[in-house]
Amino acid sequence: DAMVIQNPRYQVTQFGKPVTLSCSQTLNHNVMYWYQQKSSQAPKLLFHYYDKDFNNEADTPDNFQSRRPNTSFCFLDIRSPGLGDAAMYLCATSRTGANTDTQYFGPGTRLTVL
Amino acid sequence: GENVEQHPSTLSVQEGDSAVIKCTYSDSASNYFPWYKQELGKRPQLIIDIRSNVGEKKDQRIAVTLNKTAKHFSLHITETQPEDSAVYFCAASNSGYALNFGKGTSLLVTP
Repeated sequence: DAMVIQNPRYQVTQFGKPVTLSCSQTLNHNVMYWYQQKSSQAPKLLFHYYDKDFNNEADTPDNFQSRRPNTSFCFLDIRSPGLGDAAMYLCATSRTGANTDTQYFGPGTRLTVL
Repeated sequence: GENVEQHPSTLSVQEGDSAVIKCTYSDSASNYFPWYKQELGKRPQLIIDIRSNVGEKKDQRIAVTLNKTAKHFSLHITETQPEDSAVYFCAASNSGYALNFGKGTSLLVTP
């Protein structure tokens, strides 16, 4: 009965080698979010989609991009990963995007950059 | 933007004791305050939330209080158990989509 699924759970990439992380949801929620969580830190929002509308946080580096081909799937693309991009990447969803909506998190993908 | 401060950063209690974690926020427009529990290597899970139209909410051993005038909210866990050990994050949300998280509290419950 997994609701927010992330693949892979662990990803190792080389410095500068593009990588794509995947998120899918069975909740039929309108909004999907990508957060970056570095060790011992709080999750930090990178961007979100409301349906097909993409919204970037002001301080999200250009190196990070996202795609949402349909309601269920959302991808995080890191064009040229640096050592500082090693982190847990969390996908989350919410039903309507109202700020009082609960956000449901996936299990995360832990990215290692060699 | 919204700034959420969370204290303490670490908390150690004996099993059966109560634990209290406090957060303050800066944006008076914030009206939604969730608390997430994150066990090591796992996803953040919502444990309780409160909206600005209420001052207190309780769910079994967990309660949250909100003081909008002072702009602070607190998580109270009673009768703590070892499985309560985790990192707890508070968050505040105003009209935007982002959850503004505090830096987290690492709670350790010792038997």
